Amino acid sequence: NAGVMQNPRHLVRRRGQEARLRCSPMKGHSHVYWYRQLPEEGLKFMVYLQKENIIDESGMPKERFSAEFPKEGPSILRIQQVVRGDSAAYFCASSPVLTLENTEAFFGQGTRLTVV
Amino acid sequence: AQSVAQPEDQVNVAEGNPLTVKCTYSVSGNPYLFWYVQYPNRGLQFLLKYITGDNLVKGSYGFEAEFNKSQTSFHLKKPSALVSDSALYFCAVSPAYSGAGSYQLTFGKGTKLSVIP
Repeated sequence: NAGVMQNPRHLVRRRGQEARLRCSPMKGHSHVYWYRQLPEEGLKFMVYLQKENIIDESGMPKERFSAEFPKEGPSILRIQQVVRGDSAAYFCASSPVLTLENTEAFFGQGTRLTVV
Repeated sequence: AQSVAQPEDQVNVAEGNPLTVKCTYSVSGNPYLFWYVQYPNRGLQFLLKYITGDNLVKGSYGFEAEFNKSQTSFHLKKPSALVSDSALYFCAVSPAYSGAGSYQLTFGKGTKLSVIP
């Protein structure tokens, strides 16, 4: 029973390029969350998705960032025209249901994005 | 908006001694509180959570945490530390209301625990 799988583990992009981060949730989980961890900070919520729907993107920067969770395949976090400030660790989590009373979010190992 | 403070960047403790990792929180209404641990090159692993009921919560690997509403704290404790407990520990909070908001975790900056042999 594989956990939450994120790839790549490390990603280096030059300024202005696009970064695509992938997340495959645990089997049976239909809820996916993306968090960002900037250096010396805690994880910050970015977006919550269910299959084919964005439920809450209140933590997403207004420009250059987008996320999707298609009916088939992994969830994708896409960052266009990356800048140095986008360098961070991006974590994906999944859960089987919406609320956290009876479960918890399971996290992947993260993708460490470095913009040079 | 909710927030979490972990006042210590690093905690050092000798193997066999009790350990405490501190966490205080701020949230509107009642909180859901969580502890996660991150080992090197690994994802965050769930340790324990407080939802309601008994203020003392027991979790994985012998860890426990006590919810103190008056002090808005949720300190992580273990009676006897192991070298293998050395890792990065994150406290997180979510507001306890039903509906769309209860999934959104707010994390502290993390506390690095080093258990010295």
